[in-house]
Amino acid sequence: QSVLTQPPSVSAAPGQRVTISCSGSSSNIGKNYVSWYQHLPGAAPQLLIYDNNKRPSGIPDRFSGSKSGTSATLAITGLQTGDEADYYCGTWNGSLSAGWVFGGGTKLTVL
Amino acid sequence: QGQMVESGGGVVQPGGSLRLSCAASGFTFNIYGMHWFRQAPGKGLEWLAFIRSDATNEYYADSVKGRFAVSRDNSKKTLYLQMHSLRFEDTAVYFCAKDNLASYYYYMDVWGKGTTVIVSS
Repeated sequence: QSVLTQPPSVSAAPGQRVTISCSGSSSNIGKNYVSWYQHLPGAAPQLLIYDNNKRPSGIPDRFSGSKSGTSATLAITGLQTGDEADYYCGTWNGSLSAGWVFGGGTKLTVL
Repeated sequence: QGQMVESGGGVVQPGGSLRLSCAASGFTFNIYGMHWFRQAPGKGLEWLAFIRSDATNEYYADSVKGRFAVSRDNSKKTLYLQMHSLRFEDTAVYFCAKDNLASYYYYMDVWGKGTTVIVSS
């Protein structure tokens, strides 16, 4: 049972828009920045979004993030088959000893 | 941007020990905190441990506290994870990752591809 809650799967057709939600609490998302990671099987996870809505250099603007209260959302527009992957939201859980927490991950299928 | 390469995975019996290494390159290793994560078969990413840039403090997930120890050698630009009393449920791909801060959690912007640990009798 993950501390952050994500839908197990989402799907959409190429070219469409999809959103992935991430729900937490006042001790994690409610007070800290959220980041998002893309993970393809056999590859290194990749940072997509940090500080709730900022993109690292090299990440296309098709990926965007937002946060409101104790929830965050990743949006992907103009879906491509190469976007098929697992997506994770993450943040810290209020203190160093409480550690870093992820959502359970969302499998994106591009139909 | 940087690169990280894990090594040291393998097959180990329950109760056994293993040490993983993570070699960093392409960034100034000694000014960033470092993490270990894992992904068990069919499961999501799990945070395991964090060590500050100067190795003054380490923090652990409850699932590995007392069994695993994170350390680093800044002169060798290498991160380590010493694992003891391994259990079947420790079977996973283990990843190291660089944080963007020295002494606290922020976000992880460089990851390795992982090394596989299988605990089997």
